[in-house]
Amino acid sequence: EIVLTQSPGTLSLSPGERATLSCRASQSVSSSFLAWYQQKPGQAPSLLIYGASSRATGIPDRFSGSGSGTDFTLTISRLEPEDFAVYYCQHYGTSRTFGQGTKVEIK
Amino acid sequence: QVTLEESGPVLVKPTETLTLTCSVSGFSLSNARMGVSWIRQPPGKALEWLAHIFSNTEKSYSTSLKSRLTISKDTSKSQVVLTMTNMDPGDTGTYYCARIRGFCSGTSCYPSDLDFWGQGTLVTVSS
Repeated sequence: EIVLTQSPGTLSLSPGERATLSCRASQSVSSSFLAWYQQKPGQAPSLLIYGASSRATGIPDRFSGSGSGTDFTLTISRLEPEDFAVYYCQHYGTSRTFGQGTKVEIK
Repeated sequence: QVTLEESGPVLVKPTETLTLTCSVSGFSLSNARMGVSWIRQPPGKALEWLAHIFSNTEKSYSTSLKSRLTISKDTSKSQVVLTMTNMDPGDTGTYYCARIRGFCSGTSCYPSDLDFWGQGTLVTVSS
């Protein structure tokens, strides 16, 4: 079973700063099935990035995804107040697992 | 407009069977490029994928929970039902259903990502 490991567990940043979140797979996975989700407190997750690098409908361009093989990255170029949340990666291949999440908190 | 709504009991006793219903609108459960997935989240913890039904016939279950889960659908009612047997306090959490979007290549489609989610329903397991 593929395991997704996200780092760091918590990222403490200020509004306007750049956030870089990592998702590492235990074995090579297809980029076509790698997605990122955002979850705000008390809300359901929402799709941010699919196919490793394509933004979902309505997602601002400060969010970008990249990577291939075993290493994937979600970058938020300039943090807005509404971006402080928990972010999960998921590979919807044979294992369909989620990473354990990265919390982006206000410094 | 795509919507999904979970319904079911808020409280179940240990050893009981949980039955959750996901009612969908804005898309058809007979669409071969789509499906519905169930995901849960214990309080303060990460998301855990449970099961899905995709492209009319494909059913898939979490390896660790497979013996306890059954997923089915009623296309005419636009509903997907998940049952989980032998509930335990460790199963307490918020249960979400989400629409699966397929990645299609040629005539084949594969589950790709979860593009719409329900608001979730909190299930507590306690005697």
